[in-house]
Amino acid sequence: NAGVTQTPKFQVLKTGQSMTLQCAQDMNHEYMSWYRQDPGMGLRLIHYSVGAGITDQGEVPNGYNVSRSTTEDFPLRLLSAAPSQTSVYFCASSYQSTGHYGYTFGSGTRLTVV
Amino acid sequence: DAKTTQPPSMDCAEGRAANLPCNHSTISGNEYVYWYRQIHSQGPQYIIHGLKNNETNEMASLIITEDRKSSTLILPHATLRDTAVYYCIVRVRGNQGGKLIFGQGTELSVKP
Repeated sequence: NAGVTQTPKFQVLKTGQSMTLQCAQDMNHEYMSWYRQDPGMGLRLIHYSVGAGITDQGEVPNGYNVSRSTTEDFPLRLLSAAPSQTSVYFCASSYQSTGHYGYTFGSGTRLTVV
Repeated sequence: DAKTTQPPSMDCAEGRAANLPCNHSTISGNEYVYWYRQIHSQGPQYIIHGLKNNETNEMASLIITEDRKSSTLILPHATLRDTAVYYCIVRVRGNQGGKLIFGQGTELSVKP
């Protein structure tokens, strides 16, 4: 049981480049989310999904796209990277809230945009 | 979701109980209190949650006041490995999906 797997663990991008941060979970969780964490700050929600085919914006969605074609995967796309997107990105998943289990987080992707 | 207020930092001696407070004075009847922690550079880890009754699991205890306006997370015998940022989150149980909003949390330092 791998839990929540994020790839890559580290990435350096040049301004204007695009890339996709991958997130996969093998727990059959309906809910998945992406967060970013900047130095000395808490986690801020970027996008989230309550199930396959359904996504919604969080606190800081600008510059990011998501899709949820399967229950297992929830990729985060940066279309044109900017230095302000330098951050640590965490993916999280959970069962439906009626089941009342806590969120499981991945180990993070550390992104630097130069 | 209701807003929470936590002290920015706390210290605790190793082996002693760590009591982390959280104020959530605007909590509504259908909102639960959740606690997570984040050990340096790792993803946050779920600890415990509750509605109005006190809760205990293998990691911690959660004490919620009768008026539900505040709560305390208790680590009964803190170890150096418990040094982390602890987040208190209040959210509605229901169709909120992945919308878990984190505040600034309390940075707990457990000292030998």
